[in-house]
Amino acid sequence: ETGVTQSPTHLIKTRGQQVTLRCSSQSGHNTVSWYQQALGQGPQFIFQYYREEENGRGNFPPRFSGLQFPNYSSELNVNALELDDSALYLCASSLAISGGYNEQFFGPGTRLTVL
Amino acid sequence: AQTVTQSQPEMSVQEAETVTLSCTYDTSESDYYLFWYKQPPSRQMILVIRQEAYKQQNATENRFSVNFQKAAKSFSLKISDSQLGDAAMYFCAYSRGNNRLAFGKGNQVVVIP
Repeated sequence: ETGVTQSPTHLIKTRGQQVTLRCSSQSGHNTVSWYQQALGQGPQFIFQYYREEENGRGNFPPRFSGLQFPNYSSELNVNALELDDSALYLCASSLAISGGYNEQFFGPGTRLTVL
Repeated sequence: AQTVTQSQPEMSVQEAETVTLSCTYDTSESDYYLFWYKQPPSRQMILVIRQEAYKQQNATENRFSVNFQKAAKSFSLKISDSQLGDAAMYFCAYSRGNNRLAFGKGNQVVVIP
């Protein structure tokens, strides 16, 4: 069973550029959530995708957008990068079933630096 | 919005000793889930232990146990017989069951040989 993978591992961009981060969910999982973890902070929920549809969003501006593909992998896109977007971006996958909580499995993250 | 608060940014513990990490949370919900996650330098979040709010019995996982006080909205983690591999950031997290986690700021645990 393959775990959650993310690419790239590290990325350096300049202010104003656009970036795409990728996440491959664990085999059999249909839900992907993205989190932003600034240095010295806990992760903050960005949004979640379930069966290719956005299924909830945290307090992030529209320049943060995402996609989920038929194989349940996902992308996080950030436009017009700002210095404060520098952070570790974590992806987590789970198998959503009715009722209860479904354990999320995290990837190793992508470290984004905006100069 | 739910908030999760962790104080004591860094905790030191001697190897084989016990350390307790504190967490409080704020919610108006009656059904929810609480978690402790470990984040080692490799950055990958690992679930340590989980507690369902409707369960009165405190969860335990080997050397890890929690003290869940629902009325006080308190959820502490006890690590017994600390090992060098326990050194990491520990995050307390909350979820209403919608698979969206709200995390605290974390506690750095340092294990002294």
